[in-house]
Amino acid sequence: EAGVTQFPSHSVIEKGQTVTLRCDPISGHDNLYWYRRVMGKEIKFLLHFVKESKQDESGMPNNRFLAERTGGTYSTLKVQPAELEDSGVYFCASSQGVDGGETQYFGPGTRLLVL
Amino acid sequence: LAKTTQPISMDSYEGQEVNITCSHNNIATNDYITWYQQFPSQGPRFIIQGYKTKVTNEVASLFIPADRKSSTLSLPRVSLSDTAVYYCLVGADNTDKLIFGTGTRLQVFP
Repeated sequence: EAGVTQFPSHSVIEKGQTVTLRCDPISGHDNLYWYRRVMGKEIKFLLHFVKESKQDESGMPNNRFLAERTGGTYSTLKVQPAELEDSGVYFCASSQGVDGGETQYFGPGTRLLVL
Repeated sequence: LAKTTQPISMDSYEGQEVNITCSHNNIATNDYITWYQQFPSQGPRFIIQGYKTKVTNEVASLFIPADRKSSTLSLPRVSLSDTAVYYCLVGADNTDKLIFGTGTRLQVFP
C-alpha cells in the first residue's frame, strides 16, 4: 500500500510568488494534517482536516496560507504571496478514523525555499 | 499539551544499547507518551507508544516509571541505520495535534 505522498519534493520561488503544495494521504484515511519546520526550528502543527472539513486550523500562521481538501481526498496548501520566512519543510500526515489519537503517517515533505 | 525535554544529541557505537530519556513533568492523567523517529529528508515515523510501565515492540522498548514524569526509549543493539532524530511527544489519546520538541539527534558510529 502506498504511503503519504507529497508534491513537489522541492520548490524554489521568489518572494511574492505563489506556490501550491499537494498531499495525497493514505487511501481511506479520514484525517489529514499539515505541519512545517521553519529553518532551524521545531516541527509545528498547521492544520487538521477530517475528510473535507477543517477540524483545527489553529496553527496556520496568517491569511497568506490557504488549505483545501477537495472531496476529502488529496489536500493542497497554497502560499500567496510567499515571504522569505515561509521557507522550510512542509510535512503532510494522515491517520485513519475519527476518534483521534491514531498513529499519524508522514509524507517525505516538500522543501520550500523563498528567495 | 505537556512540554517535553530531551537531550539534544547522543552518540553511540554499533551494537550498543541506547537509552534516550524524556522528561515530561506536567503530564496529564489522560496523556500518552509517543516516540517518533525521523531520518534526514523524510517525515517522522511512529516508533512506539505507551501509558505506563513497559511497552515493547519489534523496534524498541519504552519504560515509564510510576509517576510518569519521564520515559525512556531503549533501542537494543543499534546499527548505523538508527542514526536519526528521535522525538518524544506527550498528548491525550483523543488528541490529534502532535507537538514536537527539539528531539534527540542520535549518531551511531561504526
